[in-house]
Amino acid sequence: GAGVSQSPSNKVTEKGKDVELRCDPISGHTALYWYRQRLGQGLEFLIYFQGNSAPDKSGLPSDRFSAERTGESVSTLTIQRTQQEDSAVYLCASSFTGGLYEQYFGPGTRLTVT
Amino acid sequence: GQQVMQIPQYQHVQEGEDFTTYCNSSTTLSNIQWYKQRPGGHPVFLIQLVKSGEVKKQKRLTFQFGEAKKNSSLHITATQTTDVGTYFCAPSREGSQGNLIFGKGTKLSVKP
Repeated sequence: GAGVSQSPSNKVTEKGKDVELRCDPISGHTALYWYRQRLGQGLEFLIYFQGNSAPDKSGLPSDRFSAERTGESVSTLTIQRTQQEDSAVYLCASSFTGGLYEQYFGPGTRLTVT
Repeated sequence: GQQVMQIPQYQHVQEGEDFTTYCNSSTTLSNIQWYKQRPGGHPVFLIQLVKSGEVKKQKRLTFQFGEAKKNSSLHITATQTTDVGTYFCAPSREGSQGNLIFGKGTKLSVKP
């Protein structure tokens, strides 16, 4: 595709429900990243995939958060039993491979937990 | 653990004034990237610095990597309203090959 795409663009959910966020990286990009950005704040790293393995998932804030990736393609971030503090924009990025390559960001999913 | 400090957190300038944001690390960095995020947008890659003392220019933007590779700066000459946004430095994350650690960013506002 032309760029990184994410869906949905907006998600409003009730506290306690599960949500699934999707990221489609740029074709051929082996590295994929998930970040969380609260309103007016910086980027909080969540998890990094190289292919379909996750060498670094140290940023996942709790066991309610999980992510998977199919091959070198789509990734889903799942948040179980959502809490109000989970409200944020969730950004996905991909790069040709990790390290010295720039990251291309998707438009993000704005999650609001009511 | 690895810490990246970016200052200032906010900067308000009059159009035409210069602007500088600084990124400081507690450890030696292998490389550092810079990103810009416009209001309501997503981060966009600006530049990568790898060599000690490296200086790169993009029109009115000048990026520097310190000699000791522990700090970096972004300087904008004669700011324009199109420069508005948040600028993030992002060095490689220690112990996590292929990963970056983002600073908290400097939010720039430009008064016309």
